[in-house]
Amino acid sequence: GNSVTQMEGPVTLSEEAFLTINCTYTATGYPSLFWYVQYPGEGLQLLLKATKADDKGSNKGFEATYRKETTSFHLEKGSVQVSDSAVYFCALRYSGGGADGLTFGKGTHLIIQP
Amino acid sequence: GAVVSQHPSWVICKSGTSVKIECRSLDFQATTMFWYRQFPKQSLMLMATSNEGSKATYEQGVEKDKFLINHASLTLSTLTVTSAHPEDSSFYICSAKEAREAYEQYFGPGTRLTVT
Repeated sequence: GNSVTQMEGPVTLSEEAFLTINCTYTATGYPSLFWYVQYPGEGLQLLLKATKADDKGSNKGFEATYRKETTSFHLEKGSVQVSDSAVYFCALRYSGGGADGLTFGKGTHLIIQP
Repeated sequence: GAVVSQHPSWVICKSGTSVKIECRSLDFQATTMFWYRQFPKQSLMLMATSNEGSKATYEQGVEKDKFLINHASLTLSTLTVTSAHPEDSSFYICSAKEAREAYEQYFGPGTRLTVT
């Protein structure tokens, strides 16, 4: 079946540090890949996406590249801010019982200290 | 941006009773709504997909007679947990999608259900 594995948290960094959150997936066919972010007290928000191999998704300084050969979609940001503190979820979209249903990783809690 | 609300945000009920959770799209018409369940420190698991005016499609292993989903209008879907048991205690999250959107789902803030 389809699955997403992402690094366990919490991840604690200082402001302006470089961020990498690893995400790998297992899927049949060619899924679309997503990163969602959840700020405290809010619902999940789409951060970025990539729909085919070698695509790079980017938003708000975050980037992730769809690597088919390593089945990975690692999230990176060059200089994090305190406001980036949140829970980040890697996800894939598959054509299962629900045509747009998402399979999520467990989430990585990111804490940025000033 | 598009907003999805859930009500209630948390609920406590006794074993054997039923509880209804509402999911509303506030500023757009949601042709498709999804219900997810999240256990502590676990990922979100898709429970079912509902399209307005039709029966929900349940994921394998999800009891459709226990988790009743209704999507009667383009702005409202409900999840009813029938004859609740303590193992049904969880965080339930809905998301909604417009017909014109290829990829983006808008998520509600979630509902914490505790069954005593």
